[in-house]
Amino acid sequence: IVLTQSPGTLSLSPGERATLSCSASHSVGTYLAWHQQKPGQAPRLLIYGASSRATGIPDRFSGSGSGTDFILTISRLEPEDFGVYYCQQYSTSPLTFGGGTKVEI
Amino acid sequence: EVQLVQSGAEVKKPGESLKISCMGSGYDFTTYWIAWVRQVPGKGLDLMGIIYPGDSDTRYSPSFRGQVTISAANSISTAYLQWASLKASDSAMYYCARHHSGTWNPDRPDYWGQGTLVTVSS
Repeated sequence: IVLTQSPGTLSLSPGERATLSCSASHSVGTYLAWHQQKPGQAPRLLIYGASSRATGIPDRFSGSGSGTDFILTISRLEPEDFGVYYCQQYSTSPLTFGGGTKVEI
Repeated sequence: EVQLVQSGAEVKKPGESLKISCMGSGYDFTTYWIAWVRQVPGKGLDLMGIIYPGDSDTRYSPSFRGQVTISAANSISTAYLQWASLKASDSAMYYCARHHSGTWNPDRPDYWGQGTLVTVSS
């Protein structure tokens, strides 16, 4: 299953709303996760099951969607939210990642 | 506290073999899947394969099948990624990540290791 993320880069200011998209080539139901990766760090899980926040993730992060179209929303960007965001499907082996969306603050 | 601790950075020559590790702690190692993920510098995440230590069920992504071997040693709660003959193109950061277990298949991810940088250069 191929995951296509858009846009490739998002340039926004603190306090603005960020909307990131992930489109799957075949339905993955809600077996979709979002990860955040900051420069020089390992990725960190933000969202699983398309819309459930992982432990310790602030409520400004929210996920939605099912089937083939998914959205990650950051309601009010904080300076620490810059980085690259990846979607990942775990519906069907092989598990796959999207190409990533870079969020520039 | 759940942790995945990976082995240290490696510098190797083309043609050499290598085995890197990912040790899990704070949970029952045999009841969660461990995935290996490659990240070439400046690029995205590529899932290489995934293993269920409980029964050694191992699944490789097509691009990596035959190129690497994934294994686990349950007695020491450690998963491995190994190469028989490294190439310069294997230079990358490698991460392990834990996945919950669904019915017969891996389910949602949660924890990541800190990464192991592999450099292959003559």
